[in-house]
Amino acid sequence: QKEVEQDPGPLSVPEGAIVSLNCTYSNSAFQYFMWYRQYSRKGPELLMYTYSSGNKEDGRFTAQVDKSSKYISLFIRDSQPSDSATYLCAMNPGTASKLTFGTGTRLQVTL
Amino acid sequence: EPEVTQTPSHQVTQMGQEVILRCVPISNHLYFYWYRQILGQKVEFLVSFYNNEISEKSEIFDDQFSVERPDGSNFTLKIRSTKLEDSAMYFCASRGTGVYGYTFGSGTRLTVV
Repeated sequence: QKEVEQDPGPLSVPEGAIVSLNCTYSNSAFQYFMWYRQYSRKGPELLMYTYSSGNKEDGRFTAQVDKSSKYISLFIRDSQPSDSATYLCAMNPGTASKLTFGTGTRLQVTL
Repeated sequence: EPEVTQTPSHQVTQMGQEVILRCVPISNHLYFYWYRQILGQKVEFLVSFYNNEISEKSEIFDDQFSVERPDGSNFTLKIRSTKLEDSAMYFCASRGTGVYGYTFGSGTRLTVV
């Protein structure tokens, strides 16, 4: 079983739709959870982060963590064409320094 | 906003040649990383560097790889004898004191021919 699993997509939605992106993981030591956005041939850009279980909202973005199910989600409300990118989940135990990434989900928001 | 700068943006090299990828992390950050992303695959950890020494490295980071912080600003990744399978995007990242504060550079696309 892969340490972090993420559906690669592509996911195509119309402008204004609510988008749900998800990751599952197997390592129960993970405590810190992040979502990165990556445009083509660019570096990952940190969007959201959460610690342990719970929700966090920032503008149109909401991150959820369910540690009991080892499942994390990113919701994008009122999606825009500029949201078209690859979304990467990443996580670490907190005490170790490296991030473990999912494969990324490619999102396309159409007009 | 502070950023991590990587040079060159694209490098083509012949198999067996040495390459040095350069990074200028954010000035007050203390933790430095190299990650790589083979085309179509996930971002993979290579090495972390803190207090002038390697703090963690992955299985990928074998004897062909080395890192250095030659002065107070640059952070380099050297691949001694490149192989075709080293072709990838290489990302440098730096982190401040907070766990979340990873900032990635735009990457160097390395093509080994």
